[in-house]
Amino acid sequence: LAKTTQPISMDSYEGQEVNITCSHNNIATNDYITWYQQFPSQGPRFIIQGYKTKVTNEVASLFIPADRKSSTLSLPRVSLSDTAVYYCLAGYSTLTFGKGTMLLVSP
Amino acid sequence: SQTIHQWPATLVQPVGSPLSLECTVEGTSNPNLYWYRQAAGRGLQLLFYSVGIGQISSEVPQNLSASRPQDRQFILSSKKLLLSDSGFYLCAWTLYGGKGIDGYTFGSGTRLTVV
Repeated sequence: LAKTTQPISMDSYEGQEVNITCSHNNIATNDYITWYQQFPSQGPRFIIQGYKTKVTNEVASLFIPADRKSSTLSLPRVSLSDTAVYYCLAGYSTLTFGKGTMLLVSP
Repeated sequence: SQTIHQWPATLVQPVGSPLSLECTVEGTSNPNLYWYRQAAGRGLQLLFYSVGIGQISSEVPQNLSASRPQDRQFILSSKKLLLSDSGFYLCAWTLYGGKGIDGYTFGSGTRLTVV
């Protein structure tokens, strides 16, 4: 399992783009990079997953450089409801969650 | 569509009492099932996972145990609860391990307070 490192917290304002970077220096060839969002007293919710280059869905974009040692989750035009903890995971089978990044969006 | 059910939502138990939390998945077959625990202000800790009926892998030695009596049923148990067992317990499932289109799907969780 690849260990991931991400900032403990980030602050933003409504309407801004937020980029959360995660490092996974010892990522293995078979590992996928997955991001989850968790609100208080709820289970994490899948946001996006990728293997390399760029992935985009209706919620976010995921940028993965060629060496795959890091990844960046991009949330366009955040709103107050995007305040949550965001987890970055790198793995193939069983995933390990770290402490995540607490994103606080203010008016 | 696939759904995951977890109950109860909240539970207050005295120290030394037994515990049984149940998780069931609908709309899929042979899922990988997981139990996670989240202590206050901390990340999710993987406790157990199962790739099939009767197959349980433990990630953290403790006074908890898990069982999978049916394909889509996963049970977390304890014979005697400790104060340190308090936390938010989450069940999750996936078909393809950590990869796949949807990754993990989590239940709504059980908030356990041991008093």
